[in-house]
Amino acid sequence: DQQVKQNSPSLSVQEGRISILNCDYTNSMFDYFLWYKKYPAEGPTFLISISSIKDKNEDGRFTVFLNKSAKHLSLHIVPSQPGDSAVYFCAANSIPSSNTGKLIFGQGTTLQVKP
Amino acid sequence: DARVTQTPRHKVTEMGQEVTMRCQPILGHNTVFWYRQTMMQGLELLAYFRNRAPLDDSGMPKDRFSAEMPDATLATLKIQPSEPRDSAVYFCASGWTGGGPEAFFGQGTRLTVV
Repeated sequence: DQQVKQNSPSLSVQEGRISILNCDYTNSMFDYFLWYKKYPAEGPTFLISISSIKDKNEDGRFTVFLNKSAKHLSLHIVPSQPGDSAVYFCAANSIPSSNTGKLIFGQGTTLQVKP
Repeated sequence: DARVTQTPRHKVTEMGQEVTMRCQPILGHNTVFWYRQTMMQGLELLAYFRNRAPLDDSGMPKDRFSAEMPDATLATLKIQPSEPRDSAVYFCASGWTGGGPEAFFGQGTRLTVV
């Protein structure tokens, strides 16, 4: 039972263009959504989060959009840089509070940004 | 430099042997997670502790896996006996209930069971 799904295993974009990574979820009780970035041989690194009461959160080149009616979120990277090439994981916090609850992850999307 | 520390970074063992992985959470963090990364499942939650008490270990094969927190600075994940299908990267992460929803990950232990 995959509660958080990333249906695109990989994405390739040109440097300077927009990267859009997508994530779908099934549990309407999730209250926080997070994106992590992972380089080979390293642990995942937290990027950005969004509360379920918001529809957009922005941090520099990274923006996360949440569509609760569609149970869908996306991460936009603008402009994309070669250093953004990594695996991106979507995660959801399953405990209804802002504290660190159980994080459920998707399968990941490998982003390649070509120079 | 606050970070989650995992040891060993790499482990190769024979089938049937006991494997113990260790994690030192960030000082002051009271929530600890164990995840396993596989190609098919992504990051799979194995166990989850708060204030050293296990809150959820439903993702863990109970017959061979065990997770404990002997004290606030050490979490362990043990596999006995190990099997080839246990080969994966195991991550520990920690967080703080007074902070945000994010957890901070260690660099992982790459386990190979031959």
